[in-house]
Amino acid sequence: DGGITQSPKYLFRKEGQNVTLSCEQNLNHDAMYWYRQDPGQGLRLIYYSQIVNDFQKGDIAEGYSVSREKKESFPLTVTSAQKNPTAFYLCASSIQGVDTQYFGPGTRLTVL
Amino acid sequence: DQQVKQNSPSLSVQEGRISILNCDYTNSMFDYFLWYKKYPAEGPTFLISISSIKDKNEDGRFTVFLNKSAKHLSLHIVPSQPGDSAVYFCAASAIDNDMRFGAGTRLTVKP
Repeated sequence: DGGITQSPKYLFRKEGQNVTLSCEQNLNHDAMYWYRQDPGQGLRLIYYSQIVNDFQKGDIAEGYSVSREKKESFPLTVTSAQKNPTAFYLCASSIQGVDTQYFGPGTRLTVL
Repeated sequence: DQQVKQNSPSLSVQEGRISILNCDYTNSMFDYFLWYKKYPAEGPTFLISISSIKDKNEDGRFTVFLNKSAKHLSLHIVPSQPGDSAVYFCAASAIDNDMRFGAGTRLTVKP
């Protein structure tokens, strides 16, 4: 079964700690994306990657970092520099040049 | 598991006519539904929503219809304009639960 997975579903961290959110896809998609959703707001793009070993900042990249060492994996690190890290994080993937995106189930990060 | 499905990857409509985008869901616990619009190279932006206590919500040219018994919702755009050309995502959530998204439908409105 092809799909996109995110783990864990819920994540709790203490303030000041870095945390890495996992995103894996077996759809053979070239492009992958990270979004953040806050209550009452739409999705905001954090980072995206159109090809392995390359990625670009989205609208709200400050305090986040990513890597794309493998086509199927696009982990997101929420660093201690991110001022409001508590949010729902969504990963998505798409075929290069196609705008429809497949979303993962999301990870809800709570920083205590 | 695909709890939210948009079975039409693309739709083409003439300017001035009605665009109807469809979305089906499987989880009967979903009680809040949203439509997002996405232009190329941008993140999706919120368009319109509906809660399960209603069967219709209207905002200007955009109307969302919810059929709970069929687990189906649709977005109607009347009249369609070329600027409406974008990818539209359907999303659903249950109370205290996270949102699930469909894969999107690309709408092309031809002048």
